[in-house]
Amino acid sequence: QVQLQESGPGLVKPSETLSLTCAVSGYSISSGYYWGWIRQPPGKGLEWIGSIYHSGSTYYNPSLKSRVTISVDTSKNQFSLKLSSVTAADTAVYYCARSGRGLRLDYWGQGTLVTVSS
Amino acid sequence: QSALTQPASVSGSPGQSITISCTGTSSDVGGYNYVSWYQQHPGKAPKLMIYDVSKRPSGVSNRFSGSKSGNTASLTISGLQAEDEADYYCCSYAGSSTFGVFGGGTKLTVL
Repeated sequence: QVQLQESGPGLVKPSETLSLTCAVSGYSISSGYYWGWIRQPPGKGLEWIGSIYHSGSTYYNPSLKSRVTISVDTSKNQFSLKLSSVTAADTAVYYCARSGRGLRLDYWGQGTLVTVSS
Repeated sequence: QSALTQPASVSGSPGQSITISCTGTSSDVGGYNYVSWYQQHPGKAPKLMIYDVSKRPSGVSNRFSGSKSGNTASLTISGLQAEDEADYYCCSYAGSSTFGVFGGGTKLTVL
């Protein structure tokens, strides 16, 4: 059974960098698939942030591209998100997910709330 | 990159059928057969219900079905049950530069 678990600080100050990690169990990242991040502001809808292929190729939401970096560490079977220069608008539940062809998000983490506040 | 358009809410009585629409453009929904649908209960992570427009993952009830016509995709739930009450989101692949876009979400109320 594939499982994903997000981890990282729950509180980030404005203008700083948000950093989250997604640990994957039950499947080896290096075996394939895309691995992505999605966020959901409180009371609002889902927003795709970006995805990384097991080989390292990355794809980012154009509206966030200048601030986002997604990387993969196959030795630890995990992938990470960095979002720079955060503001209150970046407050959201952040989910990691496995993505098949065509952005088929078949396995999700439980989500982690990140609040941007001083 | 604009979000796909979904109705804010739909409702139906137990046993009835409802359909949720998801309208995009020829650059996303209309351009690829890669539309997926997700069910989200309060405080929970989304769950994949339909992928590749009309395919059901293993374990998803056959009461859920998907279709597409032009730039609009649809999710139909037949034989509504109380546990179907949730938020539903569509998602479409949008090419190698934009990659992915979600709809704004639809709240389904089972009366």
